Amino acid sequence: EDQVTQSPEALRLQEGESSSLNCSYTVSGLRGLFWYRQDPGKGPEFLFTLYSAGEEKEKERLKATLTKKESFLHITAPKPEDSATYLCAVRSAGGTSYGKLTFGQGTILTVHP
Amino acid sequence: DAGVIQSPRHEVTEMGQEVTLRCKPISGHDYLFWYRQTMMRGLELLIYFNNNVPIDDSGMPEDRFSAKMPNASFSTLKIQPSEPRDSAVYFCASSLGILAGITDTQYFGPGTRLTVL
Repeated sequence: EDQVTQSPEALRLQEGESSSLNCSYTVSGLRGLFWYRQDPGKGPEFLFTLYSAGEEKEKERLKATLTKKESFLHITAPKPEDSATYLCAVRSAGGTSYGKLTFGQGTILTVHP
Repeated sequence: DAGVIQSPRHEVTEMGQEVTLRCKPISGHDYLFWYRQTMMRGLELLIYFNNNVPIDDSGMPEDRFSAKMPNASFSTLKIQPSEPRDSAVYFCASSLGILAGITDTQYFGPGTRLTVL
C-alpha cells in the first residue's frame, strides 16, 4: 500500500525566512509525485508534478525537488500570501487503480509579516 | 474554462436523509474523481470514472454511498441514508486521459461541505 508522510505538521515562519517542507513516500513504482496548495475553504490547487529522482521544478518562490524516497518543497523568502496547507500526493504504477492519488496529511504553513 | 464546478457548496441535513452532491468536470477531461476530506483521515479517494465508467470504487465507505456519471459533463455522489460520521468536505476532481503511462494532473473543484446533524 502506498504511503505518504509529510513533515512538519505545521510550520510558522517570519516573512523572508526561507525553509523547506518534506514529503516522504513509499510506492510500488512511482508514476508521479504531486504538490498541491490548499487555502481554507477551497479545493487543492495544483503546483507541481515530479516524475523522476533528480528532477526539480520552480514557480515564483517555490521549488520542488525529488529523490527516490522523498520530495522537498523549498520556500524562498516567503510572504504572508504563501500561508496555506501544502499537500503532497503520489501515484504508483502498481495495482488496478491507475488513477489513484495517495495524499499526505499536509503541512500547514503560516507566514507572519 | 470555469474549472470543476460543484454544487451545493454547503449542505446541512439531518441523519437519515438522502444527500446528493453534484459535479461538472472540466470540458474534455476523461477522468472524474470523488474525494472526501476530514481532519482525521485527510484527503481520500472514494471512486473514479474513466469515460463515464466507474473504474475503482474501493474507497466508497459502504453501501450507503453511490456515484453515477450519466454523461461526460455530470456526476453525482449520493448518500442514503446519511449519518453524522459522513460530515466532511467532498471534492470532485477531473483530469485529461492518461496515455501510455504518463500521469496527468487532477484539477479540483471548490468542494461541498456536508454537515449531518
